[in-house]
Amino acid sequence: AQSVTQLDSHVSVSEGTPVLLRCNYSSSYSPSLFWYVQHPNKGLQLLLKYTSAATLVKGINGFEAEFKKSETSFHLTKPSAHMSDAAEYFCVVSERASGGSYIPTFGRGTSLIVHP
Amino acid sequence: NAGVMQNPRHLVRRRGQEARLRCSPMKGHSHVYWYRQLPEEGLKFMVYLQKENIIDESGMPKERFSAEFPKEGPSILRIQQVVRGDSAAYFCASSPLGTGVPNEQFFGPGTRLTVL
Repeated sequence: AQSVTQLDSHVSVSEGTPVLLRCNYSSSYSPSLFWYVQHPNKGLQLLLKYTSAATLVKGINGFEAEFKKSETSFHLTKPSAHMSDAAEYFCVVSERASGGSYIPTFGRGTSLIVHP
Repeated sequence: NAGVMQNPRHLVRRRGQEARLRCSPMKGHSHVYWYRQLPEEGLKFMVYLQKENIIDESGMPKERFSAEFPKEGPSILRIQQVVRGDSAAYFCASSPLGTGVPNEQFFGPGTRLTVL
């Protein structure tokens, strides 16, 4: 069975400072991991994904995440926050279900607040 | 290439009425997923469909909910005899690939259902 825990429901940073959004996962097998961003009243947009290649994954808008198997973590980082980064962020784990399809499990989300 | 389209964006129903939510996947995508998002929560998987087939409906409530993806036309999520607890945002996602690949899903803007 798979699960994902986003450790912070809200993260508040000042513009120009680093961003860290934490995610821990539980998976029976080698998982695929994703980060999505959701702006208010919009659908979700993929930031980046890990599918057993390089453990440090670079995504769009300057975000990156590192897969650490020993810590079962996939934290999202960005060196310098921008006001436009304010949004809801979801960590997602996906592994093959018994029926053969990949069904994703979403974390509860972390709301990123960026202060000027 | 238009993205995933959902309509209506907002839907208001009284208890006991039926709600029909539509999703047109991206051009060339033959796999559709439906999710439900309750306030302050992540997305919960409901059902995964290919054209004319339900592949995985493990997240669908046993009663009142049904989904289809006909050979022609959009995918439909139908909720019969709605109750206040059905109020949520319903998101549709599509992908070009299905089983066997943990691939990116492209999300629509969602339908926000309010049950009075």
